[in-house]
Amino acid sequence: DTAVSQTPKYLVTQMGNDKSIKCEQNLGHDTMYWYKQDSKKFLKIMFSYNNKELIINETVPNRFSPKSPDKAHLNLHINSLELGDSAVYFCASSQEPLGLAGNNEQFFGPGTRLTVL
Amino acid sequence: AQSVAQPEDQVNVAEGNPLTVKCTYSVSGNPYLFWYVQYPNRGLQFLLKYITGDNLVKGSYGFEAEFNKSQTSFHLKKPSALVSDSALYFCAVRDEGDSNYQLIWGAGTKLIIKP
Repeated sequence: DTAVSQTPKYLVTQMGNDKSIKCEQNLGHDTMYWYKQDSKKFLKIMFSYNNKELIINETVPNRFSPKSPDKAHLNLHINSLELGDSAVYFCASSQEPLGLAGNNEQFFGPGTRLTVL
Repeated sequence: AQSVAQPEDQVNVAEGNPLTVKCTYSVSGNPYLFWYVQYPNRGLQFLLKYITGDNLVKGSYGFEAEFNKSQTSFHLKKPSALVSDSALYFCAVRDEGDSNYQLIWGAGTKLIIKP
């Protein structure tokens, strides 16, 4: 059973399009995250939700909008895609926010490789 | 400001030899420290963490890490490397007193184990 799943695995699209990436976790965790990993493998957090509430919102363009319909799902919608959005996007979850328990490890999905042409 | 550094972009080790992947950190309070591994085309996997207690922490796949407060380091080690250990390794840190709910990630170190 996949703990954290993302769809699609690969996404190739044209500049200017709008696309969504879906994430689901079956671990019963309360907190979910979106990360962006660039071509140099640098990992940057974008958003974090705890029980469907936004708790981390790093400086990302407002073309990126996360949506959490329930605590098992955190989707990422991207408007007006740009070349620089090309990256691998990882979803992750943890039992609680790091700020509460302080030490909860995160479980990562397999990633979505987004290529903007 | 919190930060974490992985000074080596790549580490090459012969199979069977001990390996070390370095990590140093900077926080104003007590650190929570983590190591994750990323295999090619996969998501990150948790290896081990230091929160408090013994400075030597044991984790998955035979890895261990030693917390050294005076040197602000948390180097990852394994006594005998396997070819299957070849992957990208990330160190991460969080300040215990920081109210932000996020980890600060290192840039990653590519570990190559040669047969």
